[in-house]
Amino acid sequence: DAKTTQPNSMESNEEEPVHLPCNHSTISGTDYIHWYRQLPSQGPEYVIHGLTSNVNNRMASLAIAEDRKSSTLILHRATLRDAAVYYCILRDVIGGGSQGNLIFGKGTKLSVKP
Amino acid sequence: GAVVSQHPSRVICKSGTSVKIECRSLDFQATTMFWYRQFPKQSLMLMATSNEGSKATYEQGVEKDKFLINHASLTLSTLTVTSAHPEDSSFYICSARRGQGFQETQYFGPGTRLLVL
Repeated sequence: DAKTTQPNSMESNEEEPVHLPCNHSTISGTDYIHWYRQLPSQGPEYVIHGLTSNVNNRMASLAIAEDRKSSTLILHRATLRDAAVYYCILRDVIGGGSQGNLIFGKGTKLSVKP
Repeated sequence: GAVVSQHPSRVICKSGTSVKIECRSLDFQATTMFWYRQFPKQSLMLMATSNEGSKATYEQGVEKDKFLINHASLTLSTLTVTSAHPEDSSFYICSARRGQGFQETQYFGPGTRLLVL
């Protein structure tokens, strides 16, 4: 079972920032927070991941709450190409074995309006 | 980012036949690969974990005799759907794990759409 909770869908306007929330109140100390996105009819694409500190890369930023029970994926300027399903996934890389597997929930379907 | 390829991208077959799907990590070696299945309007479901040089680990409810997995090398894993039936029609996606620890990331292939008539 997915250990994260995300809104089913969100809408954004093109060229505006988008904040995609994720709740993970049962996160353990060794869980990393991963974000992937899936465009229609494609395989998922890695977006970003983090443990405690906020992270930035060329695609997005990840803001992690101080208690780590929630996080927010930030797309600074949404484009039409960002329309996808965004998955927030907890992954235990220390536990090893199946605990390190990526288990996908339902994700958030992001629509971007021109 | 790293590249994972799948072949074929789309396949149509008759009921009762077997279909093989290949997954390759093009620019890195992957000791662990994964196979997922996705039905329309649903999320990805992990089917099995493929380890190079050893038997695959199947998730609960996935028939290992029906979905044969072979991780022949550090860059190639294959999924064979044996005696396919219409209910096996789905989008099959492979993934390869790269790196270790915090740097560990999974990269996904583009998927293979299987239609069984």
